[in-house]
Amino acid sequence: QSVLTQPPSASGTPGQRVTISCSGSRSNIGGSAVNWYQQLPGTAPKLLIYSVSQRPSGVPDRFSGSKSGTSASLAISGLQSEDEADYYCAAWDDSLNVLFGGGTKLTVL
Amino acid sequence: QVQLQESGPGLVRPSQTLSLTCTVSGDSISSGSSYWSWIRQPAGKGLEWIGRIYTSGGTNYNPSLKSRVTISVDTSKNQFSLKMSSVTAADTAVYYCARSPSWLKFDSWGQGALVTVSS
Repeated sequence: QSVLTQPPSASGTPGQRVTISCSGSRSNIGGSAVNWYQQLPGTAPKLLIYSVSQRPSGVPDRFSGSKSGTSASLAISGLQSEDEADYYCAAWDDSLNVLFGGGTKLTVL
Repeated sequence: QVQLQESGPGLVRPSQTLSLTCTVSGDSISSGSSYWSWIRQPAGKGLEWIGRIYTSGGTNYNPSLKSRVTISVDTSKNQFSLKMSSVTAADTAVYYCARSPSWLKFDSWGQGALVTVSS
């Protein structure tokens, strides 16, 4: 059971906008940066969003992140088939330990 | 371009010690600009941070694993290592090593090493 709560699944059709939530508490998301990772089947996770809303070089601007209080969200606009993957949020807690959400499996219908 | 590669036994007996090494190329562990972590993922499940080390030798561990885990660094070989004692089947997972320039920003990952705990 992850301290950071994500919906186990999400879905959308090509071109749609999809959001994935990550819920925590004041002792983690409330006082932490939030990062998002994308894991394509059979591969290592890839950094998608850092510091709540920053995109690493090479990540399309279709991906965006936000945070409000003790929750964070990842939004994917213009959904594409290659976006089908598992998505994980991450934050630190009061002891600077790293916490991951349980992951959300995104299906492109 | 930084690259990380995990290595170590793929099969460990229950109650024994799991040992993995991560070899880093394209960056110097001794530069002090990054943290070096181990993260694991049981089959079909989510990610679990195990712990990190930084150049000063300082370490942070996941409280749930702290009593069984040791992370160390060999700057002469540009490697860092994971030892996990008293393993059980619950420790069967793909183990990743990763670099983070800041606490959470894991920007480079190894390909992962599957470790199975079984007799």
